[in-house]
Amino acid sequence: LAKTTQPISMDSYEGQEVNITCSHNNIATNDYITWYQQFPSQGPRFIIQGYKTKVTNEVASLFIPADRKSSTLSLPRVSLSDTAVYYCLVGFDNYGQNFVFGPGTRLSVLP
Amino acid sequence: DTEVTQTPKHLVMGMTNKKSLKCEQHMGHRAMYWYKQKAKKPPELMFVYSYEKLSINESVPSRFSPECPNSSLLNLHLHALQPEDSALYLCASSLGQGVQPQHFGDGTRLSIL
Repeated sequence: LAKTTQPISMDSYEGQEVNITCSHNNIATNDYITWYQQFPSQGPRFIIQGYKTKVTNEVASLFIPADRKSSTLSLPRVSLSDTAVYYCLVGFDNYGQNFVFGPGTRLSVLP
Repeated sequence: DTEVTQTPKHLVMGMTNKKSLKCEQHMGHRAMYWYKQKAKKPPELMFVYSYEKLSINESVPSRFSPECPNSSLLNLHLHALQPEDSALYLCASSLGQGVQPQHFGDGTRLSIL
């Protein structure tokens, strides 16, 4: 199992770019990196997934260095509605086994 | 609105009761999952069904019994639960058991008296 670590919490202001890093030193060759967002009393929502280098979609970017031992979720110009817990998930390999959510980062966006 | 529907949203039961949680999806997904989430903790995988067959059981106590009657429906039968089983139970589905994003329901908040 790829153990992951994330900052417990982060604060930001509206309009700023937020970068949340997840460390996964023992990531396996077949493992992908997936990020989810969770609001209180709701299930997690998929944000982005990647294997290496950089992935971008309409809401976020994911940066993965060559050694893949960490990844950084980048949220451009956050708003108050981005206040949530962000989870890094590593190990969702081709056989769908051995995956564990990271501890989560509680992001608070302030006005 | 979520595409994965879980019922009931809240459930309070005694330690001797038998109850069931229900999860439904109509996205044609062939993998379905049960997770348990305690307050301020990440979701913990309990079970995975792939093509209606139990694929993964993460050493969950037998007082939790999953069932997948068809490709759209997933149940979790509960019996003789303990107070420490109080948690948010999340259901998820994905296109297949592999590298796809999972779609989560909003969970059932379970309280054991």
